[in-house]
Amino acid sequence: EAQVTQNPRYLITVTGKKLTVTCSQNMNHEYMSWYRQDPGLGLRQIYYSMNVEVTDKGDVPEGYKVSRKEKRNFPLILESPSPNQTSLYFCASRQRGGEGLGYTFGSGTRLTVV
Amino acid sequence: KNEVEQSPQNLTAQEGEFITINCSYSVGISALHWLQQHPGGGIVSLFMLSSGKKKHGRLIATINIQEKHSSLHITASHPRDSAVYICAVRKTSGSRLTFGEGTQLTVNP
Repeated sequence: EAQVTQNPRYLITVTGKKLTVTCSQNMNHEYMSWYRQDPGLGLRQIYYSMNVEVTDKGDVPEGYKVSRKEKRNFPLILESPSPNQTSLYFCASRQRGGEGLGYTFGSGTRLTVV
Repeated sequence: KNEVEQSPQNLTAQEGEFITINCSYSVGISALHWLQQHPGGGIVSLFMLSSGKKKHGRLIATINIQEKHSSLHITASHPRDSAVYICAVRKTSGSRLTFGEGTQLTVNP
């Protein structure tokens, strides 16, 4: 089944403790991206990657890092999480160019930083 | 002012009604996306548009590039259509995706 897999689904952590949220897709998509969703602010893009070793900032990149060493994986790294990074996070991928539905989203990761 | 504006914010309909959700944007775009977010939180892509009109089942999406406006129509609405519908635009400069705030749709039986 074609899918984007995020792990973990739920995470509670403490301020300053480094964490990684993993994202993997099995569709050979070139484009991958991370978003956060907050009440009243909607969805906002954190980082995106057009292909392996190519990443760029979205609208809210502060406090986050990403890497794209393999086409299928695009982990989101919080080096020193803070309470304002408590949010619902989504990873997504799409094939560049051509027609189609567009993005395939992961199921989301609900992160709480205390 | 937000680059992507949706209306209405909330919409309540009776089963069977024809529904329209609007999206206006103020930037140059390469594509516009309509997304559906279920109460459980999962997000599904409904349409990707760069021009014209697309139809999938009871859903129809249109875009007018000159007017910078898109509409999502649901014909013969059903309670299972209850969800948040989100408009997103992919800007021509780079590949950033910018989202509208969403429209909460409730369809009552």
